[in-house]
Amino acid sequence: EDQVTQSPEALRLQEGESSSLNCSYTVSGLRGLFWYRQDPGKGPEFLFTLYSAGEEKEKERLKATLTKKESFLHITAPKPEDSATYLCAGGYSSASKIIFGSGTRLSIRP
Amino acid sequence: NAGVTQTPKFRILKIGQSMTLQCTQDMNHNYMYWYRQDPGMGLKLIYYSVGAGITDKGEVPNGYNVSRSTTEDFPLRLELAAPSQTSVYFCASSPLTGQRNQPQHFGDGTRLSIL
Repeated sequence: EDQVTQSPEALRLQEGESSSLNCSYTVSGLRGLFWYRQDPGKGPEFLFTLYSAGEEKEKERLKATLTKKESFLHITAPKPEDSATYLCAGGYSSASKIIFGSGTRLSIRP
Repeated sequence: NAGVTQTPKFRILKIGQSMTLQCTQDMNHNYMYWYRQDPGMGLKLIYYSVGAGITDKGEVPNGYNVSRSTTEDFPLRLELAAPSQTSVYFCASSPLTGQRNQPQHFGDGTRLSIL
């Protein structure tokens, strides 16, 4: 059965304290690994797509990496405005369907 | 561009009532999706469509119906509302894909309570 598991469920960091969020996946014929950011009361906002093991993408303080079993979202020197829930999802069909993990709630203290 | 627009933003229904959640996208995307998100859970796929006139069930379709008469619109209907359908509903769209899936773009959701 296709599955995406994210850890930890919640993470509290001090401003400037770097860390990583984990996404483990078992998706047959993975057609893309997606990272989204979701703010309270909003829909998920697309961040990155990774297609091949070894691939990396960066945007400001965020960097996403992909292996054959996991993806990591590294956050470097985070700021309070980086506080959000981060969702990971695996693409599994030609209709661009994706299966979501349950998310990591990230809180950055000033 | 507005992207994906969902209406209403909030709604309270009584058990047994019916309603339609509206979703419109202006990106000319072929694929559209409906999800529900319960507290502390990931998004679960209810229904999806690969084009006008073509719809299919997702992971949790029971109690819902959809139609897709145009590229832009993909309404979700609840026929007999039940408390278990209290959730936040998200609509999304994505462009045609080849061997690699393209990202989905989401609306801001409809928060629905069934009392």
